[in-house]
Amino acid sequence: QVQLQESGPGLVKPSEPLSLTCTVSGDSVNSGGNYWSWIRQSPGKGLEWIGYIYYSGSTHFNPSLKGRVSIFLDTSGNQFFLRLTSVTAADTAVYYCARAGSTLEFDAWGQGTLVTVSS
Amino acid sequence: QSAPTQPASVSGSPGQSITISCTGASPDVDFSHYVSWYQQRPGKAPKLLIYGVSNRPSGVSNRFSGSKSGNTASLTISGLQAEDEADYFCSSYTSNTPWLFGGGTKLTVL
Repeated sequence: QVQLQESGPGLVKPSEPLSLTCTVSGDSVNSGGNYWSWIRQSPGKGLEWIGYIYYSGSTHFNPSLKGRVSIFLDTSGNQFFLRLTSVTAADTAVYYCARAGSTLEFDAWGQGTLVTVSS
Repeated sequence: QSAPTQPASVSGSPGQSITISCTGASPDVDFSHYVSWYQQRPGKAPKLLIYGVSNRPSGVSNRFSGSKSGNTASLTISGLQAEDEADYFCSSYTSNTPWLFGGGTKLTVL
């Protein structure tokens, strides 16, 4: 059974980069057909898809994040990473990593990690 | 591309059936095929309930069903139980912004 686990700092200062790691077990990040995604949820709000990295390394990001986001794969560690630059208070959210398969639904989620942007 | 629209809240009594709608902003072939539904309890990650409009993953109760008519997808919960009280989100896959989530619907079991 696939499991995902987010890790990273819970507090980030405004204008600094936010970096998170998702560690995957029970599946391989370089197995074909999976889109490894980051999704966030601001306090009391809905879900926002941030971006994905495909097993091949190709990426696609939410245009609303205006070039601030990047996602990387580490196949040896079976992990993928999120980097969000120039953060503001509006980036305060619970960040989830998730897997979507070829039928394009998110069938596995991490437990989520709260990141607060504050000085 | 605009996010799908969901009602902010619905309610029902135990044993009843309720339906939550999810309306796409404009006709979109992708929306028609790749709609999924998620249940989120407080403090927990979303859980997949329905994918591909009407398919249930193994382990999900058959009290949950999905359908689509035109540009509106629907999630129906039959035989409502107290444990169904949660937030429900729809998601559609589009070619421009691959995944868009609806704003969520809070289900209250009276």
